[in-house]
Amino acid sequence: DVKVTQSSRYLVKRTGEKVFLECVQDMDHENMFWYRQDPGLGLRLIYFSYDVKMKEKGDIPEGYSVSREKKERFSLILESASTNQTSMYLCASSSFDRAGGEKLFFGSGTQLSVL
Amino acid sequence: LAKTTQPISMDSYEGQEVNITCSHNNIATNDYITWYQQFPSQGPRFIIQGYKTKVTNEVASLFIPADRKSSTLSLPRVSLSDTAVYYCLVGRVTGGGNKLTFGTGTQLKVEL
Repeated sequence: DVKVTQSSRYLVKRTGEKVFLECVQDMDHENMFWYRQDPGLGLRLIYFSYDVKMKEKGDIPEGYSVSREKKERFSLILESASTNQTSMYLCASSSFDRAGGEKLFFGSGTQLSVL
Repeated sequence: LAKTTQPISMDSYEGQEVNITCSHNNIATNDYITWYQQFPSQGPRFIIQGYKTKVTNEVASLFIPADRKSSTLSLPRVSLSDTAVYYCLVGRVTGGGNKLTFGTGTQLKVEL
């Protein structure tokens, strides 16, 4: 089974702190994604990466950056955490079937609270 | 990528068949459709994926009409444990680098 592991289940940080959210996948997937989920807003894409050191902005990249130094690891960085970044953060990696369909595998999520 | 529209919520009773329809009017020729299920405090998980006509697996069926402007997820004989949010997602067959964007999903509530 594919495993996507997020380093923390719950995290509490203070406003202005630099925050690192780590995600590791064990299936040698090329593509990895970071989403945030807030009540009533569904999943929103922050950043994604299709190769080591490659990244693309999603729909809400402001206030975030990412790092992909190794294929299995994709980090989300909050340069200066703010209270409006309190959210559930979900990491995913993807695989492709023979027909070309992409399938996402998600981690369990990190609930981040910024005080 | 095509924008998707789903009902916000649906209610059903145990044992009934549930059909959730997703509209994707701007779907392109090389786009496929995927459905995910999400329980509270968990990440979404893959249910079913298709490109055209009908796909069935052990969990659900996916019906896609000829014009592909919509798709219907069919859950046979639902139980309480099927209460979850269901997301429809349209992706492109390009081998990677796809900006996979979710819609707001459909909250399915199953009662006794």
